[in-house]
Amino acid sequence: AQTVTQSQPEMSVQEAETVTLSCTYDTSESDYYLFWYKQPPSRQMILVIRQEAYKQQNATENRFSVNFQKAAKSFSLKISDSQLGDAAMYFCAYRSSPYIGGGADGLTFGKGTHLIIQP
Amino acid sequence: GAGVSQSPSNKVTEKGKDVELRCDPISGHTALYWYRQRLGQGLEFLIYFQGNSAPDKSGLPSDRFSAERTGESVSTLTIQRTQQEDSAVYLCASSLIPSGGTQRYNEQFFGPGTRLTVL
Repeated sequence: AQTVTQSQPEMSVQEAETVTLSCTYDTSESDYYLFWYKQPPSRQMILVIRQEAYKQQNATENRFSVNFQKAAKSFSLKISDSQLGDAAMYFCAYRSSPYIGGGADGLTFGKGTHLIIQP
Repeated sequence: GAGVSQSPSNKVTEKGKDVELRCDPISGHTALYWYRQRLGQGLEFLIYFQGNSAPDKSGLPSDRFSAERTGESVSTLTIQRTQQEDSAVYLCASSLIPSGGTQRYNEQFFGPGTRLTVL
């Protein structure tokens, strides 16, 4: 079974600064997806960014980028130019490669990092 | 288009009572997922539906938990004889799985969840 570990229960950053959230995972699979989700107080999970394991290039979405180190099984999220609206819980998640004939399966989540943005 | 909706938003019940939680997926989404989020924890995968069949029930914590889905629409998660450890937020997600073959990636869109409190 896969496991996802987020070792930082809480992080704080000044507005406009850069912050990096850490995530490590354990798997014996070679093909999988990794995700970062944001969960504001509304509880709605919002996909921030995803990375396909077979792609060596790190994913980027505007101010959000990842550092994917497949050999080290590490998947960190960097948020540049932090904004007040970035304050939320951030969850790292893993999904196995799609099974034959399907492509739907559950995600495995870490325990989350609470990100605080200081004005 | 409407997103995933869940009802009720909050539910308080007494230990030993049965509860039903409802999820309305995005129209046309064939896959539906249930997750549980205990306080301060990440999401735990419970079950998913492809259409109205549930090929993976491995995440259901006990036989007190069951789920149904009508066609490719509404799903109900039922918890019988609730216990205090069932207190959590129950989140539903849906995704579009094209018929007739594999799909490498299908984003899961989450609802706002139902907060269940068992007294």
